[in-house]
Amino acid sequence: QSALTQPASVSGSPGQSITISCTGTSSDVGSYNLVSWYQQHPGKAPKLIIYEGSKRPSGASNRFSGSKSGNTASLTISGLQAEDEADYYCCSYAGNSALVFGGGTKVTVL
Amino acid sequence: QLQLQESGPGLVKPSETLSLTCTVSGGSISSSRNYWGWIRQPPGKGLEWIGSMYYSGSTYYNPSLKSRVTISVDTSKNQFSLKLSSVTAADTAVFYCASLYSGNSLDYWGQGTLVTVSS
Repeated sequence: QSALTQPASVSGSPGQSITISCTGTSSDVGSYNLVSWYQQHPGKAPKLIIYEGSKRPSGASNRFSGSKSGNTASLTISGLQAEDEADYYCCSYAGNSALVFGGGTKVTVL
Repeated sequence: QLQLQESGPGLVKPSETLSLTCTVSGGSISSSRNYWGWIRQPPGKGLEWIGSMYYSGSTYYNPSLKSRVTISVDTSKNQFSLKLSSVTAADTAVFYCASLYSGNSLDYWGQGTLVTVSS
């Protein structure tokens, strides 16, 4: 069970769209449409922003969207805002009730 | 709305057992809706899933930690617990408890508690 691969950092200007990739294998991301995404501000607990690949929980901004192609899931943040500056983690179901996280991506708003 | 709160010692000696409890409020831990889980985050590093359990008591652990981890439930107190044995400095981390929606998405999190392993 290896960690999913995310870029260490992504940046963008206010109003732009950015995309964070999350690459796994045919045993996790590729086998299930069960990727979730979390936003974590410094010193705070992570917050669920996307679940089951593309669904938004109540209270999550509609500027967040999720998708998947093959073994890679993606999170897109549209209309980037200063408050979006945070760390983002993907997480995939990996079978047998196991979960695996990505290494995290730091988003910087320029 | 569910609320979760971790509690336990903030300092554990090497080779000893780390023990944490998560108290759930705003809902029953026996609800068939939920799995319950533990996640940790070493300082300055990423998240790692430690393990999950169903309200019935079935448990699922990260293979890399399986030999040292035990997750259990106390339904009478609406709590679930984590024990991690034979700890080393590498186990120093913020530990979070969380509820899992459909066993795959962590929808409610505790605030986290820092546990330092040091003599």
